[in-house]
Amino acid sequence: NAGVTQTPKFRVLKTGQSMTLLCAQDMNHEYMYWYRQDPGMGLRLIHYSVGEGTTAKGEVPDGYNVSRLKKQNFLLGLESAAPSQTSVYFCASSYPDRLKLEQYFGPGTRLTVT
Amino acid sequence: GENVEQHPSTLSVQEGDSAVIKCTYSDSASNYFPWYKQELGKRPQLIIDIRSNVGEKKDQRIAVTLNKTAKHFSLHITETQPEDSAVYFCAARIQGTYKYIFGTGTRLKVLA
Repeated sequence: NAGVTQTPKFRVLKTGQSMTLLCAQDMNHEYMYWYRQDPGMGLRLIHYSVGEGTTAKGEVPDGYNVSRLKKQNFLLGLESAAPSQTSVYFCASSYPDRLKLEQYFGPGTRLTVT
Repeated sequence: GENVEQHPSTLSVQEGDSAVIKCTYSDSASNYFPWYKQELGKRPQLIIDIRSNVGEKKDQRIAVTLNKTAKHFSLHITETQPEDSAVYFCAARIQGTYKYIFGTGTRLKVLA
């Protein structure tokens, strides 16, 4: 049981390049989330998904796209990277259960855009 | 809009002393309040949580209190140890949504 995994762990991009971050979970969670973490700003929600085939915008969605083609995977795409997207990205997942509200986080992806 | 304010941003305590971190939320429909500990370079880890129908919860040296009227909740760590040094985040889940709003974090330093 690996929990929530993310690939890659580190990446350096040049401005204008594109990339996809992959999040995978093996806990059969319905809900999945992408956050970015910047110094002094906590965790900010980029996009989230409440089930396979569905996605929704969070607090800071501009410049990002997501897809949830399979229940266990949630992909975050940057079509044209900008230096402002330099950050640490965390994926999380949780149950759709009123009794189980805990979010489980992946190990993070550190992205630098030069 | 929805937000969670967290104070202080940094906190230094002597080993063995207590530490208190406070959060205030804006949306009265919030119904779940987790606290996370994040060590340098690691993922956030849930350390304790509380639901809106409970006023206090304790787990060994850690406790959380909730004042729904004032929309405040606090993390209390007693008998602090050097390994408690980390960044702590509070969060609030908005009832009826899938969104969690996070505070900006408190860097706790426990001085030996």
